[in-house]
Amino acid sequence: GAGVSQSPSNKVTEKGKDVELRCDPISGHTALYWYRQRLGQGLEFLIYFQGNSAPDKSGLPSDRFSAERTGESVSTLTIQRTQQEDSAVYLCASSLGLGNTEAFFGQGTRLTVV
Amino acid sequence: RKEVEQDPGPFNVPEGATVAFNCTYSNSASQSFFWYRQDCRKEPKLLMSVYSSGNEDGRFTAQLNRASQYISLLIRDSKLSDSATYLCVVNMRLDDYKLSFGAGTTVTVRA
Repeated sequence: GAGVSQSPSNKVTEKGKDVELRCDPISGHTALYWYRQRLGQGLEFLIYFQGNSAPDKSGLPSDRFSAERTGESVSTLTIQRTQQEDSAVYLCASSLGLGNTEAFFGQGTRLTVV
Repeated sequence: RKEVEQDPGPFNVPEGATVAFNCTYSNSASQSFFWYRQDCRKEPKLLMSVYSSGNEDGRFTAQLNRASQYISLLIRDSKLSDSATYLCVVNMRLDDYKLSFGAGTTVTVRA
């Protein structure tokens, strides 16, 4: 597809389980972002990948959160031992990673921890 | 200080009114600026880029004030469909082009 694709679109999991969220960026986009958005709140930055550089992990809220990306392809965000406070929409965005280029968002994964 | 700060609002305005709001950014060397729009329970989408000289797109006008480090968005002749959250986006780092998003300003246009 032409846009950023995220899967699954919805995920319900039990507290304490691990979950893996996937993001397929737009082809050729070197930059990739993960954000968390709780209901009624703003975007919360989690992690940023740019090409082969070391990722900016400064937004990850705890060591239960991790993300991987191989080259300029798919990224996965993993949340271990999920807690109810992890319930949110997780948004992925990608961009060309050049000056003055915008980011494009996927439709997000709505995670509900019960 | 946050990298990008916005007044969360909400700005409640009647149809046909003009509404304007600002966004401040912390890095004086930032080069790229955007306004995004996010509708309820949807992903953010680009509304418009912001150029140094200011720019218009129909009823929307964006301005950049480098001296005071803020950008603004003005919406003229507001429509019900303009109700949304408007996100300010700034390129904070010139070495890796990372974009930073503000928390958003909510605008509600009433009939």
